[in-house]
Amino acid sequence: GAVVSQHPSRVICKSGTSVKIECRSLDFQATTMFWYRQFPKQSLMLMATSNEGSKATYEQGVEKDKFLINHASLTLSTLTVTSAHPEDSSFYICSVPKAEASSSYEQYFGPGTRLTVT
Amino acid sequence: ELKVEQNPLFLSMQEGKNYTIYCNYSTTSDRLYWYRQDPGKSLESLFVLLSNGAVKQEGRLMASLDTKARLSTLHITAAVHDLSATYFCAVEDSWGKLQFGAGTQVVVTP
Repeated sequence: GAVVSQHPSRVICKSGTSVKIECRSLDFQATTMFWYRQFPKQSLMLMATSNEGSKATYEQGVEKDKFLINHASLTLSTLTVTSAHPEDSSFYICSVPKAEASSSYEQYFGPGTRLTVT
Repeated sequence: ELKVEQNPLFLSMQEGKNYTIYCNYSTTSDRLYWYRQDPGKSLESLFVLLSNGAVKQEGRLMASLDTKARLSTLHITAAVHDLSATYFCAVEDSWGKLQFGAGTQVVVTP
């Protein structure tokens, strides 16, 4: 079954409004989660690292005041796109790393959220 | 800065034939991942390669890692239509962040 969930799976919003995307780790606790963005026909680009108990860290070129990240609990991280514009339309995917032992490690990706800003 | 180069970007495969996708990266890494993505979907994990010389196989797919050459390959044996998808390699840095290759769009035709 799914290890990571995202909500909503698809959202359409008007330009200038804000939208919140949730990423939940279903089977294990995670002090770190990652947020990626994928534009059509492109690869995934890391946006930021969500850290439980501390501020998120953002990749170069990602506006921290526009993409608000809150690691609300050990199983939930949220990404809020504020004052959305059409160029923010993209596929947003979270990932949650899990290490069970030195030889067992995986990064689990959520099902993604497709954001369309009109 | 970690850079990942994947090639080819597009691969037209004939059913039944063998093909290889290459993934080169620029700096030392502990882990390399291969993912599959179908249109409109998220990523499906194929392989995690942790050490030099690691080889993993699942069905018609086999992945290998040469950390000295900073090269991983994804080999497809006897391609079938179901393998049509986009394949990504991703290299993890010391912070757990993934740097993705550009992706290889695979189309398998009869």
